[in-house]
Amino acid sequence: GENVEQHPSTLSVQEGDSAVIKCTYSDSASNYFPWYKQELGKRPQLIIDIRSNVGEKKDQRIAVTLNKTAKHFSLHITETQPEDSAVYFCAARAGANSKLTFGKGITLSVRP
Amino acid sequence: GAGVSQSPSNKVTEKGKDVELRCDPISGHTALYWYRQRLGQGLEFLIYFQGNSAPDKSGLPSDRFSAERTGESVSTLTIQRTQQEDSAVYLCASSLKTGNQPQHFGDGTRLSIL
Repeated sequence: GENVEQHPSTLSVQEGDSAVIKCTYSDSASNYFPWYKQELGKRPQLIIDIRSNVGEKKDQRIAVTLNKTAKHFSLHITETQPEDSAVYFCAARAGANSKLTFGKGITLSVRP
Repeated sequence: GAGVSQSPSNKVTEKGKDVELRCDPISGHTALYWYRQRLGQGLEFLIYFQGNSAPDKSGLPSDRFSAERTGESVSTLTIQRTQQEDSAVYLCASSLKTGNQPQHFGDGTRLSIL
């Protein structure tokens, strides 16, 4: 089955700097890659997703890049703000009737 | 419109008791998913429904866990003879259909087994 790994497990950046969170996946058939943000005690919320037919997608300060050859995808957050502090989960799905497999999450801390 | 609704929001029960957790998906969402999240951990897939059938039950940890869904609406996750290791937040999500559709999560049920 699919295996999704996130590195590092924690990341601390200074407010205003950029943050990059990387994920790798194992199943070359995976074609859908969402990112979720979970604040402490709250539900996971979808922040951006990408499908395998594109290499990059942007939404304001957030972007996701996908490298299918290397089987990794990354979340980029520019001009970080304290409210970006949260746990970020990546996930991958191998087909229309497959489950989403989540990574273990990365805790991002933005220092004011 | 309303999001995914889960009840109860918190449940404290004694070891050995049965519990039932409820999920109301977003109206019109045919796919429904259950996950377990232990403290400080990631999202552990349990089961998903397409309509009222469950094509993938592979994540259910033991035969003490079961789930059902009525039509394309409410789902219940039942844990029998609860154990302390069942303590976790149980999250439900729904999407328009399976495939590459975004999943929308509820607030979860925080289950504590004494």
